[in-house]
Amino acid sequence: GEDVEQSLFLSVREGDSSVINCTYTDSSSTYLYWYKQEPGAGLQLLTYIFSNMDMKQDQRLTVLLNKKDKHLSLRIADTQTGDSAIYFCAEGERGYQKVTFGTGTKLQVIP
Amino acid sequence: KAGVTQTPRYLIKTRGQQVTLSCSPISGHRSVSWYQQTPGQGLQFLFEYFSETQRNKGNFPGRFSGRQFSNSRSEMNVSTLELGDSALYLCASSSGLYETQYFGPGTRLLVL
Repeated sequence: GEDVEQSLFLSVREGDSSVINCTYTDSSSTYLYWYKQEPGAGLQLLTYIFSNMDMKQDQRLTVLLNKKDKHLSLRIADTQTGDSAIYFCAEGERGYQKVTFGTGTKLQVIP
Repeated sequence: KAGVTQTPRYLIKTRGQQVTLSCSPISGHRSVSWYQQTPGQGLQFLFEYFSETQRNKGNFPGRFSGRQFSNSRSEMNVSTLELGDSALYLCASSSGLYETQYFGPGTRLLVL
C-alpha cells in the first residue's frame, strides 16, 4: 500500500540550512510534492519534482530524489523565522488527483 | 486570479447532525479534491471530482459524500456526525487531471 513517512520535528537556527527528509513506498508515484502549512492555514504548494528527475532547485529550495531508495528531501537554504511551519511530503500519480501525504515535519526556526 | 475558497471557515455541530461544506475552485479549474486533516490520522484523501464525475474515493464510510456542479463548484456532505469527524476539511483544485493541485484555507469542523 501507499505510505509516506517523515520525521515529526526539526529545529534549526536562523541562517542555517534545513533538511527535511521523507520516504515513500509507492513505486508508481510520478509526482512528489512538498507543501507548507502555517498555523490555521491551508496547504501551500512549495515545489514538486517528477519521478524521472534527481534534483530540482527553486530559489532557496532544493529537492533531491533518490528513486532507488524512495527517498525525498527538501533543503531550505538560509532558513528564516518565516519558514517555521509544518512541511508535508506527498506523492501522486500522473492522471490522478489523489495525493498521499506524509505525517508532516514541524520546522522550528530559532532566532 | 482568486484562489480556492471554502465556506464556511468554521462550523460547530452536534453529534447526529449533518453538515454541508462548499468549495469554489480557482476559475477555470475542473478538478476538485477533498481531504480530511486530523491530528491523529493526518491528511487523508476523501474524494476527487472532475467534470461532475467522482473519479476517486478514499477509505471513508458512506456518511461522507460529495458532488460537483456544472460550474465546477463542489460540496461535501457528512451525515450523522460523530465526534471523530471533527477535523479541518481541505479542498484542492487543479486545471486538469495532470496538473498540480492548489489548496483552499479549509473548513474547521467541530462536532460536540
